[in-house]
Amino acid sequence: AQSVSQHNHHVILSEAASLELGCNYSYGGTVNLFWYVQYPGQHLQLLLKYFSGDPLVKGIKGFEAEFIKSKFSFNLRKPSVQWSDTAEYFCAVNSAPTGGGNKLTFGTGTQLKVEL
Amino acid sequence: GAGVSQSPRYKVAKRGQDVALRCDPISGHVSLFWYQQALGQGPEFLTYFQNEAQLDKSGLPSDRFFAERPEGSVSTLKIQRTQQEDSAVYLCASSPRLAASTDTQYFGPGTRLTVL
Repeated sequence: AQSVSQHNHHVILSEAASLELGCNYSYGGTVNLFWYVQYPGQHLQLLLKYFSGDPLVKGIKGFEAEFIKSKFSFNLRKPSVQWSDTAEYFCAVNSAPTGGGNKLTFGTGTQLKVEL
Repeated sequence: GAGVSQSPRYKVAKRGQDVALRCDPISGHVSLFWYQQALGQGPEFLTYFQNEAQLDKSGLPSDRFFAERPEGSVSTLKIQRTQQEDSAVYLCASSPRLAASTDTQYFGPGTRLTVL
């Protein structure tokens, strides 16, 4: 069975600080990796995803993530956070190829608070 | 275009009551997922539909939980004889294609169920 670990449950940063949120997964086969974000009062939305190719993936709002297969990691980064990045961030994985492998397994989430 | 919509947004039920939660996916989306998100946790998979076919219900916690999508569009998640441990946010997501694990899942706002 797949599992996802997000080690940082709560992170508080000042504006312009750099961000790195950890995500590790356990699954021996080929995986697809996702970061979703939930802004206050809004629904979950996709930040970025990786399924093949360049392991450094760029997403919306200046976020990026790097897939390191040897470490089973997919950490999320942003060089300079803004107050508007305050949100909860979820890492998720599903297995590939398809045929019932579409369901996402989520981590427990990281609550990010950016202070002015 | 319109996103995934869910109704009601909030539901309070007395223990033992039956509830029905509705999901309207994005028009034309073939795949539909239900997830349960307990407080402080990430979403957990409940069940998956391709059109009207329920292909995976491995995440349904008990036989009190039942989901349907009779015409391949709107879906209903029904919980019979609700228990306090059923209190959670129930999320619906849809994605455009059949069995495409790389597809983005688009989430609705969720239904927050509180069982007293």
